[in-house]
Amino acid sequence: NAGVTQTPKFQVLKTGQSMTLQCAQDMNHNSMYWYRQDPGMGLRLIYYSASEGTTDKGEVPNGYNVSRLNKREFSLRLESAAPSQTSVYFCALGSATNTGELFFGEGSRLTVL
Amino acid sequence: GESVGLHLPTLSVQEGDNSIINCAYSNSASDYFIWYKQESGKGPQFIIDIRSNMDKRQGQRVTVLLNKTVKHLSLQIAATQPGDSAVYFCAETTSGTYKYIFGTGTRLKVLA
Repeated sequence: NAGVTQTPKFQVLKTGQSMTLQCAQDMNHNSMYWYRQDPGMGLRLIYYSASEGTTDKGEVPNGYNVSRLNKREFSLRLESAAPSQTSVYFCALGSATNTGELFFGEGSRLTVL
Repeated sequence: GESVGLHLPTLSVQEGDNSIINCAYSNSASDYFIWYKQESGKGPQFIIDIRSNMDKRQGQRVTVLLNKTVKHLSLQIAATQPGDSAVYFCAETTSGTYKYIFGTGTRLKVLA
């Protein structure tokens, strides 16, 4: 996981507050993803970016926005946090061929009160 | 540590025994499958993968079996060690898409 850096690792917000989760990579991969992981459920895709400058919605995009300004960084923003967004968020990188394993960061645990 | 799944199925095995973890996948069009290991408080870590043109692939102490007829995937861990204790889950995808479907996982507990 050394090539994928997520910040912050932990965050507590109050309902209605905003924040941005940062993801940076040094593996030179084109595609980047944001997933959320909730107890008893598989990882669910929020947004992904196939390449620099492009983003697309995943399975659960509501309440989130993303930004891919350069190849290295892909950020996830919560404009008005809700308790339902309490989760562990993972950034992942797609392989160069786009058909391969995903490389995950260590996660960002977010609690919304 | 953090828990990634509070109500996951659990497989308990004695240290040194072999472990078999199963996964039923959902999409008959999926042609690439991955097994991940996730330790408490950490991100998923790649273990092994297999493409749909194969039915078996071996790595170091791990083997993945694919049965496309019944859409079933299994992970075999030989000589299970305490360090193998973690949550294991499978993922499937179709080439050329960006969509990966993840299973909910199985917790492996290794008994000393």
